[in-house]
Amino acid sequence: GEDVEQSLFLSVREGDSSVINCTYTDSSSTYLYWYKQEPGAGLQLLTYIFSNMDMKQDQRLTVLLNKKDKHLSLRIADTQTGDSAIYFCAERPGGYNKLIFGAGTRLAVHP
Amino acid sequence: GAGVSQSPSNKVTEKGKDVELRCDPISGHTALYWYRQRLGQGLEFLIYFQGNSAPDKSGLPSDRFSAERTGESVSTLTIQRTQQEDSAVYLCASSSGTGNTIYFGEGSWLTVV
Repeated sequence: GEDVEQSLFLSVREGDSSVINCTYTDSSSTYLYWYKQEPGAGLQLLTYIFSNMDMKQDQRLTVLLNKKDKHLSLRIADTQTGDSAIYFCAERPGGYNKLIFGAGTRLAVHP
Repeated sequence: GAGVSQSPSNKVTEKGKDVELRCDPISGHTALYWYRQRLGQGLEFLIYFQGNSAPDKSGLPSDRFSAERTGESVSTLTIQRTQQEDSAVYLCASSSGTGNTIYFGEGSWLTVV
């Protein structure tokens, strides 16, 4: 079946690292994505990783993929107040064109 | 255009009325998606268009929902006889046919009163 799960809330102090976790169920998923949604706005694509990779780094963002455990994480280094948003994990099952989204993790950054 | 454009950005309608939501994908993108996001929830897939292929309508919640796409450009999502549970943000996204990057518009906020 298709299901993506995320914890609903994460609070971090400004300057610390944030780690947002996600689990998915479809082992055929070819690509996994992280999107950011700020209040009242659409979804901004942050990064994605192909399923044959286990890590991808892009500036302050690091994506780790454990395909065996179907676990994906997004690490944000030196978290800033501007990083406060909802972060959505999504999988793209093999043979499908649609993305399956998690419910989103609300990241709150405090001084 | 530079990004995915959706209109209207906000719509308030009375229960029972029909509404049309429009999406203009990124120029050259052959794939177009509609998603629904209820308040505080994740995204629900509604429908997918790819070029001239038959659309994937597997996510449409009822026969009150329909969508059309003109060639590889504009798409319209129509909700007939709106109900209060249709209140949500309707998000459109597009990608190139073989692309892995899927870009979203700002959404159309629908409120049914």
